[in-house]
Amino acid sequence: DTEVTQTPKHLVMGMTNKKSLKCEQHMGHRAMYWYKQKAKKPPELMFVYSYEKLSINESVPSRFSPECPNSSLLNLHLHALQPEDSALYLCASSQGLAKGEQYFGPGTRLTVT
Amino acid sequence: QKEVEQNSGPLSVPEGAIASLNCTYSDRGSQSFFWYRQYSGKSPELIMSIYSNGDKEDGRFTAQLNKASQYVSLLIRDSQPSDSATYLCAVLGSAGGTSYGKLTFGQGTILTVHP
Repeated sequence: DTEVTQTPKHLVMGMTNKKSLKCEQHMGHRAMYWYKQKAKKPPELMFVYSYEKLSINESVPSRFSPECPNSSLLNLHLHALQPEDSALYLCASSQGLAKGEQYFGPGTRLTVT
Repeated sequence: QKEVEQNSGPLSVPEGAIASLNCTYSDRGSQSFFWYRQYSGKSPELIMSIYSNGDKEDGRFTAQLNKASQYVSLLIRDSQPSDSATYLCAVLGSAGGTSYGKLTFGQGTILTVHP
């Protein structure tokens, strides 16, 4: 089973709203990732958690706040976003940082109005 | 120089033909290489991984790796219209480097297989 689930599938939020994206995997993977993907571009790495600790932060603005409550769950808290933050947000997981086979969830399509 | 470069495409092949997708990378220490397929509006799907020089076959897909030339390719035999998608080459950053644990993607090649 290589399933990563993400909720919600679609999200529309205003620039003053606070919302959260959720990601879950039950493959026993110890690394989890958040990516942002704009139209016709490849996924762009935002954050990496390894063994529930933040391992990589790709200089993402503080209006994006990741959280890893346990080894199966990954959240992305959103606050005061800008319209240019509208994108597909993808979660992925892998066995570990050295194991590059990352499996992606279906993504959350975010629109900031 | 971009870290991972793919032949820009788009690539159009007739049904039943072989589609050839190419990728070069700059990190000579990289050891892990991947091909993802992404249908329009969907998330990337891992279709091949390759770690050693040579060929790796899985069904109609063959990945080829040449570390000396820093070159990875994907061949799709007997191409079908359902193979029409964007194909993303991805390279895992090498241990000890600044990109360790990071997957760097190429810009993608759009493949269209026409009946």
